Amino acid sequence: QSALTQPASVSGSPGQSITISCTGTSSDVGGYNYVSWYQQHPGKVPKLMIYGVSNRPSGVSNRFSGSKSGNTASLTISGLQAEDDADYYCNSYTTRYTWVFGGGTQLTVL
Amino acid sequence: QVQLVQSGAEVKKPGASVKVSCEASGYTFTGYYLHWVRQAPGQGLEWMGRIDPNSGGTIYAQNFRDRLTVTRDTSITTAYMELSDLRSDDTAIYYCVRDKSVAGDYWGQGTLVTVSS
Repeated sequence: QSALTQPASVSGSPGQSITISCTGTSSDVGGYNYVSWYQQHPGKVPKLMIYGVSNRPSGVSNRFSGSKSGNTASLTISGLQAEDDADYYCNSYTTRYTWVFGGGTQLTVL
Repeated sequence: QVQLVQSGAEVKKPGASVKVSCEASGYTFTGYYLHWVRQAPGQGLEWMGRIDPNSGGTIYAQNFRDRLTVTRDTSITTAYMELSDLRSDDTAIYYCVRDKSVAGDYWGQGTLVTVSS
């Protein structure tokens, strides 16, 4: 199972919005509404930010939103804040009953 | 509150095996799948496999199918990940992850496994 494709890095200024894409295939992203997104600060445990394509767990800011079109899912962060500076990973369920992660995207808040 | 507490760091020689434990508390252990995910130094997340604590049924990633064994002991609400024939590129932090709605809502603190001769 190949990793999902994410941009290696994105950046934005405080207050701006950014979008991170996550491209898979019809066997994973495109086939199921089971895409999740994780935020990881250096040296920390990953934190669930979005599940089921567009659902936010309790306690996650509504500045974070998710969507999907075809084989590509997206995470949008609006009103960028310094604390959003982190790595972000997408994840999808697959036809083989497995999970697959994206390669990760480093978000820099300028 | 939900907690996943993993065993401590390990140092192993190439060719050896390692077994990492993940003790769950604060929820019904048999009600949620548990996954194992690893992260090599400076690298991304890699899914390894998962167990249904209720049935003991497992699914493994193709990359680990020959070397990975995930088990559980429901009497002590603990899952185990055993990786055999260790290589230097198995050096990583290993996480256990609870599955809720096909997403990892709770993660263990991670266990560093270092493979070095």
